[in-house]
Amino acid sequence: KNEVEQSPQNLTAQEGEFITINCSYSVGISALHWLQQHPGGGIVSLFMLSSGKKKHGRLIATINIQEKHSSLHITASHPRDSAVYICAVSLGETSGSRLTFGEGTQLTVNP
Amino acid sequence: DVKVTQSSRYLVKRTGEKVFLECVQDMDHENMFWYRQDPGLGLRLIYFSYDVKMKEKGDIPEGYSVSREKKERFSLILESASTNQTSMYLCASRTPHRGLYGYTFGSGTRLTVV
Repeated sequence: KNEVEQSPQNLTAQEGEFITINCSYSVGISALHWLQQHPGGGIVSLFMLSSGKKKHGRLIATINIQEKHSSLHITASHPRDSAVYICAVSLGETSGSRLTFGEGTQLTVNP
Repeated sequence: DVKVTQSSRYLVKRTGEKVFLECVQDMDHENMFWYRQDPGLGLRLIYFSYDVKMKEKGDIPEGYSVSREKKERFSLILESASTNQTSMYLCASRTPHRGLYGYTFGSGTRLTVV
């Protein structure tokens, strides 16, 4: 079983829909990251969370440390939101610590 | 904003060639990472470096080596490329941010070994 599980693996939505992507993890973490990868490959860091909720434009990320669960929400989705969204966790914040990644959620938003 | 630059977006190399993938960051970050990304396997750590001339093996170091002679540059070397090294390679750097580490990724190099 992966330490980081994302759902769904694939998601298709119509423009304007509210979208939720979920991430569950099985270990204690120091931080959780939401990443976005567009076709062509480059990865952009969207959020870094250790507790609570963060908002940036139409994107909202929440984390529940007790339940080991995070969600990424996209409000008023748009075709340009089509991308792979990846959840990753940091198990510690020392120089030797590293990220553990989920397998990603492929989001397609149709016009 | 921090920029992480990978020298090539696409590369095609022959089996047995020595391949260098270059990554440069412009913000004096100490920690740098090389990942490969494959369908169904996600991102896997090959090597990382937490300072100049320092390196540590990640989860899949076999067939790879790295070089970090200057803080801004972290090179991934495929000593003798093989077809199973065809993949997307991503470089990242990180820096402390309010007690946590923030990551910046490059745009990736899609390597095909024929």
